[in-house]
Parts: sequence; structure tokens; C-alpha cells
Amino acid sequence: DIQMTQSPSSLSASVGDRVTITCRASQGISNYLAWYQQKPGKVPKLLIYAASTLQSGVPSRFSGSGSGTDFTLTISSLQPEDVATYYCQKYNSALGTFGQGTKVEIK
Amino acid sequence: EVQLVESGEGLVQPGGSLRLSCAASGFTFSSYAMHWVRQAPGKGLEYVSAISSNGGSTYYADSVKGRFTISRDNSKNTLYLQMGSLRAEDMAVYYCATCGGDCYFPFQHWGQGTLVTVSS
Repeated sequence: DIQMTQSPSSLSASVGDRVTITCRASQGISNYLAWYQQKPGKVPKLLIYAASTLQSGVPSRFSGSGSGTDFTLTISSLQPEDVATYYCQKYNSALGTFGQGTKVEIK
Repeated sequence: EVQLVESGEGLVQPGGSLRLSCAASGFTFSSYAMHWVRQAPGKGLEYVSAISSNGGSTYYADSVKGRFTISRDNSKNTLYLQMGSLRAEDMAVYYCATCGGDCYFPFQHWGQGTLVTVSS
């Protein structure tokens, strides 16, 4: 089974900072990768799919890149409402394994 | 508007069984693949199981294979997860989710979740 590893597991940054989260697949998955945001006590929300396609309604400060085994989620200018845990998910097969999550906090 | 409403929340002893349901509305349920995802208290998301639109294909994470059974009743617009031989590590909020189209992924739509507690 393909494993998904996110880094870091948590980070603290200031409002306005550029934030980057990395997701690595143990085998190549082409661009079959999605990113979700889960705010405390809420249901996960789809941010990005196909590695770099922004879901409708998601602010443009979010972006995704990568292909194969290495992927990144970038928040260009961190906002207070971005405090959440972010998960990557691979979907090159019927089993959509998630990464372990990255918790983003405001410094 | 797509709506997914899970039910079946409960407290079960280790080794016991429980069935979860997910009632769907606002879309053509019989056309969409459906999934279960779980989240243990304070932990991350864990993919559990998937079922094709007609129920003919099912998929399971290794952690639940042989113990859980996913099914659906397209006449009732309802997804099920029959859970057996429950363990402490199965305690979690269980979400149903769907791509929302002719696709398996990604998950555009999620239910609010239902809590399964496994404890003696």
C-alpha cells in the first residue's frame, strides 16, 4: 500500500507569512492528490484536487503543486481563519489514503 | 443541495457489532460512489471503505478488512457500514463522503459524522 507522509506535523507562523506543507507518497501517484482543510470541530473541506486545481470558492492564497511522489500546499499569506489541520489524500486507486495531517497555528 | 446524514451512533463493547447509516439527498444517489472515513478522538483522518454506484465493487482499508462490510440501498438513498469484531482502536467519528459526480475522488461532500465508542 502507498503511504502518505506529511511534514511538518505542526507549524506556527505569523499573519501574512508564506506557509508551505509537504506531502510525500511512497510510490508515484501522478497528480492524483487532494488537499483538505479541517477547522477545529468541523468537517473536512476540499481545497485542492488533481494536485494543483483550486476547488471553487477557495481563496486564491491557497495553491498546490507537485507530481509523482512530492507535493506541496502553499498558503501565500496566512490569515487567522486559516488556523486548521491540513490533510493530503492520494487517490490513484480505490483506496484514498490520507496523510497524518499538519496543524497550522498563528504565532 | 447535497446532504449526507449519518446515524447509528452508539457505545459498543469490544467484540461487538454496530451498523451505521448515511442518508443521502439532493443528488442522484444511485449514480455516485460512496465512502466511509473515520477520525479517532484527537487524531487524523483515516480512510475506511468505498462502494461503487451500483454496489458491485467494494474496497476496504487493511485495518477493517474482514470485520466491516459496506453496502448501499439505492432505493432508499442510504449507505451502510456494518461493523463487527469491534476493537478499542475502532472508536472514532465516522463520516460518509462522496465526490459528487461521475468519480470516486476527491470528496466534495461530507456528512457531519457519527460517533462510535468502543468500551467495556
